[in-house]
Amino acid sequence: GQQVMQIPQYQHVQEGEDFTTYCNSSTTLSNIQWYKQRPGGHPVFLIQLVKSGEVKKQKRLTFQFGEAKKNSSLHITATQTTDVGTYFCAVHTPNDYKLSFGAGTTVTVRA
Amino acid sequence: DAGVIQSPRHEVTEMGQEVTLRCKPISGHNSLFWYRQTMMRGLELLIYFNNNVPIDDSGMPEDRFSAKMPNASFSTLKIQPSEPRDSAVYFCASSPGGGNTEAFFGQGTRLTVV
Repeated sequence: GQQVMQIPQYQHVQEGEDFTTYCNSSTTLSNIQWYKQRPGGHPVFLIQLVKSGEVKKQKRLTFQFGEAKKNSSLHITATQTTDVGTYFCAVHTPNDYKLSFGAGTTVTVRA
Repeated sequence: DAGVIQSPRHEVTEMGQEVTLRCKPISGHNSLFWYRQTMMRGLELLIYFNNNVPIDDSGMPEDRFSAKMPNASFSTLKIQPSEPRDSAVYFCASSPGGGNTEAFFGQGTRLTVV
């Protein structure tokens, strides 16, 4: 099935600092989705990227899809305590739309 | 819509017992996914249904696990017999279908097998 590598696994961030998490695939992706799971919660959809080189912003979150559609990144500026949680990328297999998740990046914030 | 509804929210059972987890997807959604989440293995896809038909069950750990979707509004994941290593949070998710749609997750069932 579709495999995506997500790095880093853990990110400890000082409040107010920026950080980036990356998702990489060995194959070309049709699209990529990002989800956030708060501690004790369930994954919640954030955004989907479809086009090569696409960049989308949601307030302090910037999502980017690589030109070759093999990688994606999520950049958070001025981290806040509300950003705590695990961020997953997820991809569909081309033919049967199975949705598989990366290992996730778990973010903790130091106030 | 109430979203994806899973029951029970918590389940504690003894090793060897049968466990049945239930899911009601969002009305009108064609795709349903069962995931298992643990610290060690992350979020694993167990099985995926499209229009009530199991499309891919390659993630089901072993024969002790089975899943059904008798109609568009209900799915079950059964473990028989359960083992302590099955302890995890099990999520059900549904999506409208196709490869361009987001998945909506239920609150999950936290299973503990003692």
